[in-house]
Amino acid sequence: AQSVAQPEDQVNVAEGNPLTVKCTYSVSGNPYLFWYVQYPNRGLQFLLKYITGDNLVKGSYGFEAEFNKSQTSFHLKKPSALVSDSALYFCAVRDGGSGNTGKLIFGQGTTLQVKP
Amino acid sequence: DTAVSQTPKYLVTQMGNDKSIKCEQNLGHDTMYWYKQDSKKFLKIMFSYNNKELIINETVPNRFSPKSPDKAHLNLHINSLELGDSAVYFCASSQEVRGAEAFFGQGTRLTVV
Repeated sequence: AQSVAQPEDQVNVAEGNPLTVKCTYSVSGNPYLFWYVQYPNRGLQFLLKYITGDNLVKGSYGFEAEFNKSQTSFHLKKPSALVSDSALYFCAVRDGGSGNTGKLIFGQGTTLQVKP
Repeated sequence: DTAVSQTPKYLVTQMGNDKSIKCEQNLGHDTMYWYKQDSKKFLKIMFSYNNKELIINETVPNRFSPKSPDKAHLNLHINSLELGDSAVYFCASSQEVRGAEAFFGQGTRLTVV
């Protein structure tokens, strides 16, 4: 069964410092991996995805993520955090195998708090 | 020029009532979804439609009935509302291509009292 784990409920970082939000996954086939951000009372906004190719994926708002197949991880990173990055972040996976039905399996979410 | 739009944004209703949430996408996508976000922020798929055909039904009570009149619309009708149905419901759409990201609406916050 597919699953996604975000081991940290909350990540606190000072503005200007690098940030990492962790995600590990479990799928039967090749994974399609996604990061979304949710601001309060808003919908989910797509940040970036890994399908194939370069393990370092760049996305919106200066975010990037590193795919690590051996560790089954897809951690979200940003070199310099902004207060405006404070939000709820979701990692999601879609099984890229023949049984792909298109649905996303989400992690439980990580609240990022960036302090001035 | 909203890509995925849902109405209403807020819905407060009494137990036992029947209510509908509407969703429309103008992205030309073939696949649409309903997700539920509970009070702990967990997100879970409810339904998926592809070209008006039901693809996914994730053991949702049959009080929930999605309807897709065309591939740009996916509505959610809920009968006999219960307190436990209180949640935020998100509509989403994507291309029918492996690896395509989903685009989400702003959500409908349903409160059953």
